[in-house]
Amino acid sequence: DAKTTQPPSMDCAEGRAANLPCNHSTISGNEYVYWYRQIHSQGPQYIIHGLKNNETNEMASLIITEDRKSSTLILPHATLRDTAVYYCIVRVGGYQKVTFGTGTKLQVIP
Amino acid sequence: NAGVTQTPKFRVLKTGQSMTLLCAQDMNHEYMYWYRQDPGMGLRLIHYSVGEGTTAKGEVPDGYNVSRLKKQNFLLGLESAAPSQTSVYFCASSRLARGTDTQYFGPGTRLTVL
Repeated sequence: DAKTTQPPSMDCAEGRAANLPCNHSTISGNEYVYWYRQIHSQGPQYIIHGLKNNETNEMASLIITEDRKSSTLILPHATLRDTAVYYCIVRVGGYQKVTFGTGTKLQVIP
Repeated sequence: NAGVTQTPKFRVLKTGQSMTLLCAQDMNHEYMYWYRQDPGMGLRLIHYSVGEGTTAKGEVPDGYNVSRLKKQNFLLGLESAAPSQTSVYFCASSRLARGTDTQYFGPGTRLTVL
């Protein structure tokens, strides 16, 4: 699986959009970009994933650059409950090794 | 639909004791995983299973054994616990569909080895 690089921490004002970047310059053509988050002490929670097209669901939007070397997770209206560590992962589905890394700690500020 | 459940939620062991962590999923997923998470670190894969009766080593398998006798259950065993195994253990399951799989995680088991 390709390695990812994320900033260690970010702040976002409550109600504003949170934009979390991820670099994955060595991504392979068949690897998907996944985002998970982990709220303090809980199990990681799936957010969204995509291959090359932008994706949106009820939680977030995922923007993948045309060359697929980076992506951005967008939480459109951040709330205090969105304070968590966000993990960007690139992987082929079903492949056994999933490297979570240390993620980005997002702090939503009132 | 309970998703992924783990028992116990907390456990304290003495060095050398043994125990088994149980993971159960009711989503009929083929894949199941055991991870450990230490303070300030991401999740590290211990063992995984791609189906009933099959298991394989992950990134940090030493000191652990696993079994998948039933599709819905994945057991993680510590035969002789060591303080280095103090950690939070997460189980996950997933289903492969169209080349992708989303992992669903349990709430975790906090293990302390004295």
